[in-house]
Amino acid sequence: KQEVTQIPAALSVPEGENLVLNCSFTDSAIYNLQWFRQDPGKGLTSLLLIQSSQREQTSGRLNASLDKSSGRSTLYIAASQPGDSATYLCAVRTITQGGSEKLVFGKGTKLTVNP
Amino acid sequence: GAVVSQHPSRVICKSGTSVKIECRSLDFQATTMFWYRQFPKQSLMLMATSNEGSKATYEQGVEKDKFLINHASLTLSTLTVTSAHPEDSSFYICSAIRGANVLTFGAGSRLTVL
Repeated sequence: KQEVTQIPAALSVPEGENLVLNCSFTDSAIYNLQWFRQDPGKGLTSLLLIQSSQREQTSGRLNASLDKSSGRSTLYIAASQPGDSATYLCAVRTITQGGSEKLVFGKGTKLTVNP
Repeated sequence: GAVVSQHPSRVICKSGTSVKIECRSLDFQATTMFWYRQFPKQSLMLMATSNEGSKATYEQGVEKDKFLINHASLTLSTLTVTSAHPEDSSFYICSAIRGANVLTFGAGSRLTVL
């Protein structure tokens, strides 16, 4: 059974700091891994998608890496800003040989960037 | 813990027919639910925000007349794909907000339109 864990559960940093959010998963047979942000009361906003054959993806100040063999992904945020304050979720997608699929989410890391 | 039940998990239909997907919060009331879809090799994308007792708010590019959302009770939101076409084949997933800001997800529904 796939389990996704995100550490830390909460993180508070001063503006301008670089930071890393961690995501680990127990079953390395994944189809892809995604990082999202969620603002209070809102739905998810997709940040980065990493296919199982890829090792990293970058978008602006965000860089996500994937190490399937060790079951880990990191989301690196450079030069953090107060607007980055949100809950960050990672999710792994698995597709079995029988065709059933699952999207398993971590519980998220709540990030607060202080001005 | 909080559970969101999504049904059906898989559905195959003919082109031109309508398909309804249900999302239920089993042990909590959800005034707000979200509907997402994910095409192969693409990221999960928000389609619409469903608010109990009012009209849904659709994301840009999502046709509200094609994807009908009804949130008539605090525990049930439905997504109806009307006049489905093969390009609507996708993985649809719902989520509900519980408490202050805890998102709980359904297991998803795989729609295949022939």
